[in-house]
Amino acid sequence: EDKVVQSPLSLVVHEGDTVTLNCSYEVTNFRSLLWYKQEKKAPTFLFMLTSSGIEKKSGRLSSILDKKELFSILNITATQTGDSAVYLCALTHYSGGGADGLTFGKGTHLIIQP
Amino acid sequence: KAGVTQTPRYLIKTRGQQVTLSCSPISGHRSVSWYQQTPGQGLQFLFEYFSETQRNKGNFPGRFSGRQFSNSRSEMNVSTLELGDSALYLCASSLFGTGPLEQYFGPGTRLTVT
Repeated sequence: EDKVVQSPLSLVVHEGDTVTLNCSYEVTNFRSLLWYKQEKKAPTFLFMLTSSGIEKKSGRLSSILDKKELFSILNITATQTGDSAVYLCALTHYSGGGADGLTFGKGTHLIIQP
Repeated sequence: KAGVTQTPRYLIKTRGQQVTLSCSPISGHRSVSWYQQTPGQGLQFLFEYFSETQRNKGNFPGRFSGRQFSNSRSEMNVSTLELGDSALYLCASSLFGTGPLEQYFGPGTRLTVT
């Protein structure tokens, strides 16, 4: 059974700080790892990672995958109060084609204090 | 391009009743997945449809069912509602392809069972 573990479960930092969120996983037939941001609504897509060592970057957010050690990190630099959200890590595996169901971690609840 | 839409946004039902939720994917997306989100269990995969066929299924009882129409719109049905079915139900759409796919979520339907 696929397993996704995120840490920390919650984090409180001050505006301007840099944060690193962790996601470790166990999966058979890894396909992709995805990061989502969820505020008081539906998750919004951030990154999809399929290859080790290739950093994905979008503004102040970046993410990288290590398929050997089975983890991914999401970095946010120069945090702003608008970054406050639950960050979800999700996994897909090959199971015969099509869009596989995502297996989600419990999320990291990030709070940015002014 | 319009995003994923879900109706209704909020719903209150009584134990034992049944409910039908609707999801319209992003134009051009042919795969629709459904998820249940609760505070205790987080986001859990229900099922995925492509070309009117259920391709993948999560670990939920048979009371949960779905279907997809020829225009890719999907409906989810829950029969004999239980208090524990109170949750946010999210649908996500994705393009169909052979590679890993990112999924885009709708705003969700908040179901309350009393």
